[in-house]
Amino acid sequence: DVKVTQSSRYLVKRTGEKVFLECVQDMDHENMFWYRQDPGLGLRLIYFSYDVKMKEKGDIPEGYSVSREKKERFSLILESASTNQTSMYLCASRPDGRAATQYFGPGTRLTVL
Amino acid sequence: GDSVTQMEGPVTLSEEAFLTINCTYTATGYPSLFWYVQYPGEGLQLLLKATKADDKGSNKGFEATYRKETTSFHLEKGSVQVSDSAVYFCALSFGLGSEKLVFGKGMKLTVNP
Repeated sequence: DVKVTQSSRYLVKRTGEKVFLECVQDMDHENMFWYRQDPGLGLRLIYFSYDVKMKEKGDIPEGYSVSREKKERFSLILESASTNQTSMYLCASRPDGRAATQYFGPGTRLTVL
Repeated sequence: GDSVTQMEGPVTLSEEAFLTINCTYTATGYPSLFWYVQYPGEGLQLLLKATKADDKGSNKGFEATYRKETTSFHLEKGSVQVSDSAVYFCALSFGLGSEKLVFGKGMKLTVNP
């Protein structure tokens, strides 16, 4: 079974803190993604990566950065957390190939106070 | 740009009721189409997919047919169960490799006994 794991299920941070969300996949997938999920807004893509050390901006990259030093690990960084970044964060991975299945982690619910 | 429009709900049904969730898309070309499901407290997982016109995807009693003429991919189930309570997302993608999935906003379904 493909597994996508996220470092925390729940996280509480203070405004201005630097926050790291970690994601690891165990199936050697080329592509990895970070989304945030908010009520009424659905899933919004923050960043994605199609190879080690490569990254592409998604639809809402402002306030976020990412790191992919190893193929299996994709980190989302909030340089200075703000209350409007309180959300559910979902990581996903997908192999290359047309109509390939995308696999999601369980999510991290981040609260910024 | 490419987009997916789906019923947003929320929708509440009684057990054994018939379910239809409408999904239409706008795209230049012929994408692959997907339904993902998110059970409470979990990440998304693939429910079914179709890669070309008139294809029917099916899984767990759910079905959807790729209709090019109406640019639709409606999800149906003849008799829902309490365990089908979840959020359902319609999505599309093109081509190969690292292309992004484009998601609808999701629809929350609650099935009561």
